[in-house]
Amino acid sequence: AQTVTQSQPEMSVQEAETVTLSCTYDTSESDYYLFWYKQPPSRQMILVIRQEAYKQQNATENRFSVNFQKAAKSFSLKISDSQLGDAAMYFCAYRRGNNQGGKLIFGQGTELSVKP
Amino acid sequence: DGGITQSPKYLFRKEGQNVTLSCEQNLNHDAMYWYRQDPGQGLRLIYYSQIVNDFQKGDIAEGYSVSREKKESFPLTVTSAQKNPTAFYLCASSIIGGLLGQPQHFGDGTRLSIL
Repeated sequence: AQTVTQSQPEMSVQEAETVTLSCTYDTSESDYYLFWYKQPPSRQMILVIRQEAYKQQNATENRFSVNFQKAAKSFSLKISDSQLGDAAMYFCAYRRGNNQGGKLIFGQGTELSVKP
Repeated sequence: DGGITQSPKYLFRKEGQNVTLSCEQNLNHDAMYWYRQDPGQGLRLIYYSQIVNDFQKGDIAEGYSVSREKKESFPLTVTSAQKNPTAFYLCASSIIGGLLGQPQHFGDGTRLSIL
């Protein structure tokens, strides 16, 4: 069974600085997708970024980028120029590539605080 | 605007009572999902449905039931058999079971508590 692990329950960053959130996963599949979701205090789940396993190039969305290391099964999220609005719980998630219902497997989450 | 609507936002359950959480989407998505969120445990899949009149159990289906009579609707019933129902429940949907890596879109959630 696939598992997703986020080893940092809490992280803190100074405003305008850069922070990296870690995520590792375990799978025997070669085709899959990885996602980072943000959950602010409002509890809404917001997609931050996604990565296709077959793509070697790391995904980037504005200030958010990932470091995808397929052999190491690592998928970290880097937030540059951190803003107060980035404070939230961040979840890493895995989905199998074939059509197995599109189920997401989530990590335990990392709570990010941003200091002004 | 297209989106997912969950209701109610807050729900209280008495002992021995069944309660139903509503989830409606107007995104024309085929697949819908129910997740449970507990502190420190991330989200866990309860049930999912890829097509009308069909659904599958997720990792923690015991004590829950669902129906999918319409494409737009996927209600979740928390039965009296669920002994620890206090949690935050999130409904999500995606295109054809997440084909081509399409992400899931989430509702705003329902917080269920025991009276």
